[in-house]
Amino acid sequence: GAVVSQHPSRVICKSGTSVKIECRSLDFQATTMFWYRQFPKKSLMLMATSNEGSKATYEQGVEKDKFLINHASLTLSTLTVTSAHPEDSSFYICSARRMNTEAFFGQGTRLTVV
Amino acid sequence: GENVEQHPSTLSVQEGDSAVIKCTYSDSASNYFPWYKQELGKRPQLIIDIRSNVGEKKDQRIAVTLNKTAKHFSLHITETQPEDSAVYFCAASIDGNQFYFGTGTSLTVIP
Repeated sequence: GAVVSQHPSRVICKSGTSVKIECRSLDFQATTMFWYRQFPKKSLMLMATSNEGSKATYEQGVEKDKFLINHASLTLSTLTVTSAHPEDSSFYICSARRMNTEAFFGQGTRLTVV
Repeated sequence: GENVEQHPSTLSVQEGDSAVIKCTYSDSASNYFPWYKQELGKRPQLIIDIRSNVGEKKDQRIAVTLNKTAKHFSLHITETQPEDSAVYFCAASIDGNQFYFGTGTSLTVIP
């Protein structure tokens, strides 16, 4: 199946700093990627839809200035958590969908803000 | 927006028995319903999906049923095995784009 790779898989940062998470589709082009957040033992919550070459679409309640999304190419979307706080600690997962096929998930990024 | 509810939140079954997980959705425009299995700390893996133009789909021990009128769909796992133990998520989507996930079901298969 198609491969979606996320980097880093784990990151620890200090409060107030920013962290960038990359999501790459390795063997297909993805005009659209999706970012999800998952709290421990909870479901995946859709944060935003990342569109190549245009602004991301954020779900209600998600701060666009807090979670910056850039989709500069057909194979890469980035999520930057700005001015990180401990409550931003979570598991972040991206997904990408190849044309007319299922969506594929990245392996996730465990963010811990200390 | 779409609201997906999932029940039960936890489910324990004896090995060999069947497990059933149910989901409801709110947006009648949703037309694609995947089911994912997630092991601790790992990415969700698609196990089966169904589109709104069919009412049932089966793949070996796994089946999914969809009732569009009632806006609910269910996952059925037969002859459960210990390796089926995981968290299962249903999701609803329009055309396979943004997924709105259910709250998850932690399935434990007791040997």
